[in-house]
Amino acid sequence: DAGVTQSPTHLIKTRGQQVTLRCSPKSGHDTVSWYQQALGQGPQFIFQYYEEEERQRGNFPDRFSGHQFPNYSSELNVNALLLGDSALYLCASSLGQTLTSQETQYFGPGTRLLVL
Amino acid sequence: DAKTTQPTSMDCAEGRAANLPCNHSTISGNEYVYWYRQIHSQGPQYIIHGLKNNETNEMASLIITEDRKSSTLILPHATLRDTAVYYCIVRGRHGSSNTGKLIFGQGTTLQVKP
Repeated sequence: DAGVTQSPTHLIKTRGQQVTLRCSPKSGHDTVSWYQQALGQGPQFIFQYYEEEERQRGNFPDRFSGHQFPNYSSELNVNALLLGDSALYLCASSLGQTLTSQETQYFGPGTRLLVL
Repeated sequence: DAKTTQPTSMDCAEGRAANLPCNHSTISGNEYVYWYRQIHSQGPQYIIHGLKNNETNEMASLIITEDRKSSTLILPHATLRDTAVYYCIVRGRHGSSNTGKLIFGQGTTLQVKP
């Protein structure tokens, strides 16, 4: 049973560039959430996708956007990169919209983004 | 903002039980207590969650006080590989408006020592 996978593992970009990060959810899961974790901090919620739509969003600017595909995989896009966007980006998957599930989220290993 | 309070750091001797406390005095009746841990530079790992009853799985036990205002995560026989940051999170029940996101605080850094 494959867990959550993310690609790439590491990435280096320069200010102003755009980046796309990818996530494949755990087998059987249909909901993907994205988090940003700055060094020394806890993860911060960016947004969540279910049925190819953004269901909930955290306090992040519009430079952060996402997409979910019919196979439930997801992308996180960040435009006009700033130095402060350097962080570990985490993807978590869960099974949404059931009457009994507490929607436990399972995390991938993350993508380490460095903006120079 | 995180709705939980945890000690910044704790030490535990290898082989002994590690008891990690968490205060969540503003928890509401439809909110669960979740525990995750994060080993350096890896993604958070789900440990356990509960509503009001004590819970146990292969990783840990979760003890929730009767008034639900605090809880304790117990690792019964800590090993060096249990060294990590442990996060206690309060999360809405399915159907509430806040089931999507996990709000992480600073967590407790547990150092297991030989």
